[in-house]
Amino acid sequence: GENVEQHPSTLSVQEGDSAVIKCTYSDSASNYFPWYKQELGKRPQLIIDIRSNVGEKKDQRIAVTLNKTAKHFSLHITETQPEDSAVYFCAAKASDTNAGKSTFGDGTTLTVKP
Amino acid sequence: DTGVSQDPRHKITKRGQNVTFRCDPISEHNRLYWYRQTLGQGPEFLTYFQNEAQLEKSRLLSDRFSAERPKGSFSTLEIQRTEQGDSAMYLCASTLDRFGPQHFGDGTRLSIL
Repeated sequence: GENVEQHPSTLSVQEGDSAVIKCTYSDSASNYFPWYKQELGKRPQLIIDIRSNVGEKKDQRIAVTLNKTAKHFSLHITETQPEDSAVYFCAAKASDTNAGKSTFGDGTTLTVKP
Repeated sequence: DTGVSQDPRHKITKRGQNVTFRCDPISEHNRLYWYRQTLGQGPEFLTYFQNEAQLEKSRLLSDRFSAERPKGSFSTLEIQRTEQGDSAMYLCASTLDRFGPQHFGDGTRLSIL
């Protein structure tokens, strides 16, 4: 089955700096890679996703890059703000099969210091 | 569209009791997923439904766990003879189809005394 590893487990940055979170996956059939933000006591919320037919996607201060050959993908947050502080999860899913599940990383706790 | 809703938000019960959780997906979403999340971990897949058919179950889902989606709309997850290790957040998610992103509910936090 799929295995997703996420690093680092904790990340502390100064407000305005950039943050990068990296994930690797094992199953070459995975072709959909979402990123979720989860604030304490709240639901995971999708912030950005990428499919395997593109290498990079950007949405304002958030970008995701994908290297299919190396089986890794990364989340980049620029100009971080205190409200970016949360736990971020990456996930991998094979959409082309009837297997429906996403496999999640263990999360990165991001702290943005004012 | 009010999003995925789960009930109850919190459940405290004694070991050995049975509990049942409910999930109402986004209307017209035909796929519904159950995950379990413990502190410091990502969500772990338990099972999923396409309409009323349960298509996949994780090995994490022991025979004490059962899930249903009888009419292809809401789903229930029952845990029988609860154990301390069942304490976790149980998350439900839904998607329109196999290509769409998963939308999560707020979860049901289960605490076993």
